Amino acid sequence: GENVEQHPSTLSVQEGDSAVIKCTYSDSASNYFPWYKQELGKGPQLIIDIRSNVGEKKDQRIAVTLNKTAKHFSLHITETQPEDSAVYFCAASIGDYKLSFGAGTTVTVRA
Amino acid sequence: DADVTQTPRNRITKTGKRIMLECSQTKGHDRMYWYRQDPGLGLRLIYYSFDVKDINKGEISDGYSVSRQAQAKFSLSLESAIPNQTALYFCATSDPQGTYGYTFGSGTRLTVV
Repeated sequence: GENVEQHPSTLSVQEGDSAVIKCTYSDSASNYFPWYKQELGKGPQLIIDIRSNVGEKKDQRIAVTLNKTAKHFSLHITETQPEDSAVYFCAASIGDYKLSFGAGTTVTVRA
Repeated sequence: DADVTQTPRNRITKTGKRIMLECSQTKGHDRMYWYRQDPGLGLRLIYYSFDVKDINKGEISDGYSVSRQAQAKFSLSLESAIPNQTALYFCATSDPQGTYGYTFGSGTRLTVV
């Protein structure tokens, strides 16, 4: 099955700086790559996703890039704010179901 | 009301007991999932269902069973709970087109003592 590795496991950034989280996947047939944000006591929530026919996607301060050749994708958060503090998960799948998740990155934004 | 509701939110049970975690959704989606979250391991798929008559095992189904009572309801059972099933359990639903990704419930924190 699909294996998704995520790094780093923890990330501490100064407010206003950028945060980058990287993931690699094993199955070259995977074509859907979402990112989820989990706040304390809540379930994960989709924040952005990208499909294999696109190399980059942006939504305000969040962007995701995909390198199919290297089988890795990254989440970029610019101008970080305290409310960005959370656990972030990457995931991959063939089609839009049976997501395989990375282990998660705990992001802390320091004021 | 939440789109995906899980009950109970927290549960402590004893080794060997049978326990059921319930999930209901108001999204009208056919696809439902049960995931388990452990620190450092992310979310791992236990079971998934694409409609009432379709149940499939995920990567860690041993020790678990499920029931899809209706389009909106998907229950997870631990027939004989053991301590290493202590974890945070999430139910999720998705639309067939995958347009909106997964919608997760708030989770059930299960402790087996």
